[in-house]
Amino acid sequence: QSVLTQPPSVSAAPGQRVTISCSGRSSNIGSNHVSWYQQVPGTAPKLLIYDTFQRPSGIPDRFSASKSGTSATLGISGLQTGDEAEYFCATWDSTLSVVFGGGTKVTV
Amino acid sequence: QVQLVQSGAEVKKPGSSVRVSCKAPGGTFSSFGLSWVRQAPGQGLEWMGRIVPILTVANYAQKFQGRVTITADRSTNTAYMEITSLRLQDTAIYYCARDVMGRNNAFHFDSWGQGTLVNVSS
Repeated sequence: QSVLTQPPSVSAAPGQRVTISCSGRSSNIGSNHVSWYQQVPGTAPKLLIYDTFQRPSGIPDRFSASKSGTSATLGISGLQTGDEAEYFCATWDSTLSVVFGGGTKVTV
Repeated sequence: QVQLVQSGAEVKKPGSSVRVSCKAPGGTFSSFGLSWVRQAPGQGLEWMGRIVPILTVANYAQKFQGRVTITADRSTNTAYMEITSLRLQDTAIYYCARDVMGRNNAFHFDSWGQGTLVNVSS
């Protein structure tokens, strides 16, 4: 059972937009920045978003993120077949540990 | 991003120990932390703990306290994660990841190793 709650799966047609929610508590998302990771099956996770809404160099602006209260959201617009992957949210928790969401599988 | 290279797959018996290594490019250890994250088959990501090599200080997720030891050798830019008293449920891919902790607990992993499969089987 993951500390952060994500929907197990979302799907949309190519070119459309999907959003993935990540719900936590005041002790984690409510008081700290959130990061997001993309994991293609059989490979290591890859950083998509850090500090709640910042994109590392090389990550297209089709990926965006926001936070409100104890929930965060990742948006993927202009969906491509290459976006099919599992997406995880993560943040620091007041228990002095990193907590993850359970992951959301995106199907295009 | 930096390239982190982990040691190869391991097969272990229940009750034994395993040590996984993670080698980083020179200079990586100077100002970053190094975390270990595991992923059981078909499951999500689970943070185990981290070390700040320049300080040789490690902290652990409560679940792994006492059974996991994370160390770092600054002379070889290599971090290690050892688990003792292995159980069947420890079968997972173990990743090392360079972590960045900024102000106000802004934390993220900017580089990941390729992963090491540890298979615990009787």
